[in-house]
Parts: sequence; C-alpha cells; structure tokens
Amino acid sequence: GEDVEQSLFLSVREGDSSVINCTYTDSSSTYLYWYKQEPGAGLQLLTYIFSNMDMKQDQRLTVLLNKKDKHLSLRIADTQTGDSAIYFCAETLLYNNNDMRFGAGTRLTVKP
Amino acid sequence: DGGITQSPKYLFRKEGQNVTLSCEQNLNHDAMYWYRQDPGQGLRLIYYSQIVNDFQKGDIAEGYSVSREKKESFPLTVTSAQKNPTAFYLCASSPGTGVPYGYTFGSGTRLTVV
Repeated sequence: GEDVEQSLFLSVREGDSSVINCTYTDSSSTYLYWYKQEPGAGLQLLTYIFSNMDMKQDQRLTVLLNKKDKHLSLRIADTQTGDSAIYFCAETLLYNNNDMRFGAGTRLTVKP
Repeated sequence: DGGITQSPKYLFRKEGQNVTLSCEQNLNHDAMYWYRQDPGQGLRLIYYSQIVNDFQKGDIAEGYSVSREKKESFPLTVTSAQKNPTAFYLCASSPGTGVPYGYTFGSGTRLTVV
C-alpha cells in the first residue's frame, strides 16, 4: 500500500472551504509538502511544513499538522473554480529528499 | 525564466521499440528525478541523479535507463523490456539534499504504446 494516504475525490461549492486530508507513516524528522497538478501538467509546489510545526498559513492556504496522529491537512479558503485540480501530499526525511513519497492525489472539483 | 523542459509532450511507441524522453533544466539544480504517474496512483520513482555521471535506481527502474552526462540534462529511455510503458512521465529537479526546497517539475510526457 501507499506510505502516504489520501482520499481520492472531494467536491465543494465555489466560495466554500475545502479540506484535503493526508496521513503519512514516517515518524522521523520529516518535511511534508502539498503539490497541485492541473490537467495535463506537472506538479506545482504549493507549500511545505516541517514536522515540528503545527500550522502554516499562506494567503488562502492553511496547513495543519497533527504529528501524534501523523495527519496533515490542507485547507483552501474561499475555493474558486481555478482551484479544481489534483492535490498531492508528499513526505521526505530531513536529510534524504531523494526519497520523496507521494500520496495517490485528491481530485478536487469546485462547482459553480 | 528558469524551469524544466520536457519533450515531447506526447509520444507514441510501437511494440519492441526503444524511445527516449528528454528533460532539460536551467535552474542549476544538482539533483534530477524521473517519475511515472498512472491514473489513481501516486508518483513512482524510476531513477534519480544527485550529480553528473552518477544515478541511482528508484522503485520501478526495470525496463528503463538514464544518463547524466551534463548537469542540465537527464534523458530517460523506455526500453522494449518495459512491458507496460503507457503512462505519464514527469521529470523533476531540486537543489540537493538536506533542505526543504521541494521539487520543481516539468510539464510531463504522455507515452502511449500503439
């Protein structure tokens, strides 16, 4: 199975908040990432968080980390139709970012 | 503008044929990576390279080969030994290990066996 797990689909209404969840497995010092992939394109790094942090906010994006439960979430406030994409959670060890592990991706659909 | 360029965007391969996917970066990154993406699955690492003239196998290297003769270039060859090559291939780069830069990705090559 996947080292990093995500639900595959999420559908929200335009203007609502979206919350995309992820669970990871490695309890070592870790960086955790959120990437966005639009159709037919590569992945775009949205944000990252180190495992000694609880929260990081960047404009409409809020990342929450529950290290005890190994649970990561990405909240998108005021979701727009342009936010429709696949969102990938990923983790690496501190000194080995040649081993980035990706989840299967959550497909976010934003309805007008 | 700095970035990663993958070509071609679409590629068709006949049975028994080798094909090479191009990946070029002008970011002066040391490390480069090749991933395979299948529908409903995460990215799986094929090969990576931390430095010129050196590369390592990832999780699914069988049927693939790479070279790293220049810092800027990391081409991937899909050989006839790869039995199910139809997929979306992504190249990525990063400055190196030990820092949380994340990866910069190219726009991908979609390979189809015909």
